[in-house]
Amino acid sequence: GQQLNQSPQSMFIQEGEDVSMNCTSSSIFNTWLWYKQDPGEGPVLLIALYKAGELTSNGRLTAQFGITRKDSFLNISASIPSDVGIYFCAGQYYGGYQKVTFGTGTKLQVIP
Amino acid sequence: GAVVSQHPSWVICKSGTSVKIECRSLDFQATTMFWYRQFPKQSLMLMATSNEGSKATYEQGVEKDKFLINHASLTLSTLTVTSAHPEDSSFYICSAQRTSGDNEQFFGPGTRLTVL
Repeated sequence: GQQLNQSPQSMFIQEGEDVSMNCTSSSIFNTWLWYKQDPGEGPVLLIALYKAGELTSNGRLTAQFGITRKDSFLNISASIPSDVGIYFCAGQYYGGYQKVTFGTGTKLQVIP
Repeated sequence: GAVVSQHPSWVICKSGTSVKIECRSLDFQATTMFWYRQFPKQSLMLMATSNEGSKATYEQGVEKDKFLINHASLTLSTLTVTSAHPEDSSFYICSAQRTSGDNEQFFGPGTRLTVL
């Protein structure tokens, strides 16, 4: 089946630094999604991307849908302690039931 | 809007017993709901797609007779883990897709299952 490889797997950064993570797929998606999951909770949608090449921002977060439709990246600027968590990319393909395939996750830790 | 709840939030059961987990869309109708399983330090893995009024579609490797899914109404889907064993201990998360037509899925808070 489809696999989404996300990197880096984990990262420690200093508060105030920018961070970038990316996701690559073996096949194309119609939609790329970025989620944040806090421990013991469900994922929360951060950004949704619907068109190849699209660049979308949500506050300090910026994400892009790759031109090939097989990759996406997420940038977080000026990190703060509450950015700590696990970030997942996900792809959605508009066929059948539009199921979402999740990436392997990036664990972010922010040092105050 | 678009709130999804799960009940219970956590459950501990003995090996061999069955456990039912509910997923409800509180303020919207959901023709389609999805069930995921997440083991510690791993990603969410789709188990099955549940459609109101029809049989669920299971992902490869997921036993349909062990993980019974019922989607009897537009706001409720249930997952029953039958004859649970310790290896079924996991975090089970549902999501719901609005009937109104956009493709966004809204995730529940998850249910932590521990089988002793």
